[in-house]
Amino acid sequence: NAGVMQNPRHLVRRRGQEARLRCSPMKGHSHVYWYRQLPEEGLKFMVYLQKENIIDESGMPKERFSAEFPKEGPSILRIQQVVRGDSAAYFCASSPRHDTQYFGPGTRLTVL
Amino acid sequence: QKEVEQNSGPLSVPEGAIASLNCTYSDRGSQSFFWYRQYSGKSPELIMFIYSNGDKEDGRFTAQLNKASQYVSLLIRDSQPSDSATYLCAVNNSNYQLIWGAGTKLIIKP
Repeated sequence: NAGVMQNPRHLVRRRGQEARLRCSPMKGHSHVYWYRQLPEEGLKFMVYLQKENIIDESGMPKERFSAEFPKEGPSILRIQQVVRGDSAAYFCASSPRHDTQYFGPGTRLTVL
Repeated sequence: QKEVEQNSGPLSVPEGAIASLNCTYSDRGSQSFFWYRQYSGKSPELIMFIYSNGDKEDGRFTAQLNKASQYVSLLIRDSQPSDSATYLCAVNNSNYQLIWGAGTKLIIKP
């Protein structure tokens, strides 16, 4: 049973470009969570999604960031017009219910 | 006001000793409690969860929950250098979403 998969593992973008981060949850998991983590800092919740629905986006910046979890395919975290401050590790977690979360390996985003 | 509190550390423990990590939470309606371990540069890994008051043991790890005092702790017996990591406490709040502590950095000294 494959774990949570994220790709790409490393992503380099120049300022102003778009970044697309993908997350495939564990089989049978319909809850997906995205987190951001800066070096030496804690996890910051961004958004919680179920299939085709955003349940809680209270941690998501109002501009440039969006997330989706379509009926088919992976969840996507999209960052438009990236800035240097967006450089961080982005983790996706999935859950069969809304409690125990299992994390993917993360995507390290570097903005030049 | 933070809802889940952890001492950031670092907590330094000699190899072979017991490491004790603590976490307090503010939501009395919380039902589920989790400990994750995160090595530097890696993603968090679930090590224990506990739902009921008392102790839950899994190998060298013991989770302790006291709902009346609103704290949950993690004990690591016979600490090994490989246990050196940041330990994250997460608590399921009344809305069934996980609230995360900032983590305690644990260093096991050989």
